[in-house]
Amino acid sequence: GQQVMQIPQYQHVQEGEDFTTYCNSSTTLSNIQWYKQRPGGHPVFLIQLVKSGEVKKQKRLTFQFGEAKKNSSLHITATQTTDVGTYFCAATGGGNKLTFGTGTQLKVEL
Amino acid sequence: NAGVTQTPKFQVLKTGQSMTLQCAQDMNHEYMSWYRQDPGMGLRLIHYSVGAGITDQGEVPNGYNVSRSTTEDFPLRLLSAAPSQTSVYFCASSPGTGGNQPQHFGDGTRLSIL
Repeated sequence: GQQVMQIPQYQHVQEGEDFTTYCNSSTTLSNIQWYKQRPGGHPVFLIQLVKSGEVKKQKRLTFQFGEAKKNSSLHITATQTTDVGTYFCAATGGGNKLTFGTGTQLKVEL
Repeated sequence: NAGVTQTPKFQVLKTGQSMTLQCAQDMNHEYMSWYRQDPGMGLRLIHYSVGAGITDQGEVPNGYNVSRSTTEDFPLRLLSAAPSQTSVYFCASSPGTGGNQPQHFGDGTRLSIL
């Protein structure tokens, strides 16, 4: 089945530093979604990318979809304590199953 | 709108017991799914449904049954609980019939099997 690898597994940053998480697949993806899960909470949808090379921004968050549609990244500029949580990518290979990456847990220290 | 409602929020079972995790959504979404979340393993798809009367297996279906008699409800049944099924279970729904739409998650059921 569809497999999506996500790195790193953990990231500790000082507040104000940047953060990036990467999502990689061995197969071409139809689309990729990103979710954020706060500690003790449930995943919350952030964004979906569909087009090859697509870049979308949400305030301090920048999302990219690779040219070959096999990888994606989420970059946070100048992290804040409110960014704490686990970030997941999720993708379908064209079917009905949405596969999640293993997630990157972000901790932000003052 | 309540969104996606899961009950119960917490449950402790003994090995061999059976139980049903409830999931209901009031958004008239066609697509519903169940995931389990274990530390370091992300969310793994158990079963999903593209509409009433239609269900299919995800990547970890063994030990679980589902049915979809109505658009609103998608219960997950554990047939004979095992300690390996200790996990947090999330139900999700989305419009459309595929996984290519934003997923709306419930708050989860934290299940412990002793």
